[in-house]
Amino acid sequence: DSGVTQTPKHLITATGQRVTLRCSPRSGDLSVYWYQQSLDQGLQFLIQYYNGEERAKGNILERFSAQQFPDLHSELNLSSLELGDSALYFCASSVGPDNSPLHFGNGTRLTVT
Amino acid sequence: SQQGEEDPQALSIQEGENATMNCSYKTSINNLQWYRQNSGRGLVHLILIRSNEREKHSGRLRVTLDTSKKSSSLLITASRAADTASYFCATGSSGGSNYKLTFGKGTLLTVNP
Repeated sequence: DSGVTQTPKHLITATGQRVTLRCSPRSGDLSVYWYQQSLDQGLQFLIQYYNGEERAKGNILERFSAQQFPDLHSELNLSSLELGDSALYFCASSVGPDNSPLHFGNGTRLTVT
Repeated sequence: SQQGEEDPQALSIQEGENATMNCSYKTSINNLQWYRQNSGRGLVHLILIRSNEREKHSGRLRVTLDTSKKSSSLLITASRAADTASYFCATGSSGGSNYKLTFGKGTLLTVNP
């Protein structure tokens, strides 16, 4: 058990809808990362937060947004969903902002129909 | 975009044999990490090797890093059926004040009993 909790485990929704994915990092970790994993694109880095502040941005679409709250949990909001957004979304956490090993949750499987 | 590229994409061996996976990358790095993913689960950190290190061991795992060739290898000795999983290399690099961990597409290892 990595100590990183993601909810929900599965999400099925229709195109055009909006969903929120939630992540609780491992106790003591200040950094939260979001990744998207699909068969064709592999594991794509979306965004990182460190102690409530946005730290780094990757291939995150404008339709997607995230935040990290004062209690360090994080939410990833996906809006105007398209079929191509169907993927596994992983949250990971680490102690520091740089170079630390990441601890991954078990992901949220999003299916857009 | 992918920084690390694993080779081979898939590897099938018999229990007890050694498995070697390779990773090549393009830009300078701070560190390189290897992760393992069981089907549909979150990634698990295996080992981190810093850019000034050449070799590292952890149990049955041996990782080498050649920064002049921009490549790394992961050796799993005396493999077991439970080692069946996808293995990813991830390169950690700093651009300005931002640190990014970029994953390759992985090697699918199948260990046959």
